[in-house]
Amino acid sequence: QLQLQESGPGLVKPSETLSLTCTVSAGSISSSSYYWGWIRQPPGKGLEWIGNIYYSGSTYYNPSLKSRVTISVDTSKNQFSLKLSSVTAADTAVYYCARLNGAAGTDYWGQGTLVTVSS
Amino acid sequence: QPVLTQSSSASASLGSSVKLTCTLSSGHSTYIIAWHQQQPGKAPRYLMKLEGSGSYNKASGVPDRFSGSSSGADRYLTISNLQSEDEADYYCETWDSNTWVFGGGTKLTVL
Repeated sequence: QLQLQESGPGLVKPSETLSLTCTVSAGSISSSSYYWGWIRQPPGKGLEWIGNIYYSGSTYYNPSLKSRVTISVDTSKNQFSLKLSSVTAADTAVYYCARLNGAAGTDYWGQGTLVTVSS
Repeated sequence: QPVLTQSSSASASLGSSVKLTCTLSSGHSTYIIAWHQQQPGKAPRYLMKLEGSGSYNKASGVPDRFSGSSSGADRYLTISNLQSEDEADYYCETWDSNTWVFGGGTKLTVL
C-alpha cells in the first residue's frame, strides 16, 4: 500500500519560507502515470490545491500561489518538496502531500502536517 | 477552469440514505470527478472516481453502501444505510490542463 509522509517545521515566522518534504514509500515516485502534489487546508476551511510535480520535474501551480511556490523532486530519495515564500498568517494550514492520478483524481493522501505562521 | 459547487451541509437519519451533489460549472459538464471523505481530525480519504456517464470506480475498502451517479453537470454520491462513522465532510475534485480544483465541501450530519 502506497504511503506518503510529510515532514518539516510546524512553526514558521511571518515573511519567512515554509519548507516541507514528502517521503513516498511502497511505490516509486518515478512512475510515469502519476503526479505528486501538495494540498492545504486552513483550520475549519476547505481544501486548496497548491501544485504538482511530475517525476521528470515538470511543475504546475495554483495561479493564486504561483509567485510564491516551488515544488521539487528528488527521485533518488523518493521524495518531493514544497517551498512557500513570504508566508503570512493566512498560510497557516494543514499541508497534505498526495499522489494525483490524471485519470482518477487524488488517490493517495499523506496524514497531513499542521504549519502555523506566527512570530 | 472548472468550478465545483457543493451544498455546505446535509443531514440524514441513522440507517437512511443520503444523496450529496457536486455541480460542475458551465462548459465542464462532461468532466470526471473524484469524491473524498474527511472524518473529523483525519486526512481526506479517496472514495471513488465518477464519470459523466455515471460509471464509477471505488477505492479498495470503500463499503458497498457508497455509490456514485451522474446527471448532466451534476455528480452524486449516495450513501445508503447511514452509519455514525459516515458523519464527515465530503469533497468533490476535478482536474483540467494540469490544474486541480476542489469543491467547497459538504458537512454531513448523521442524526
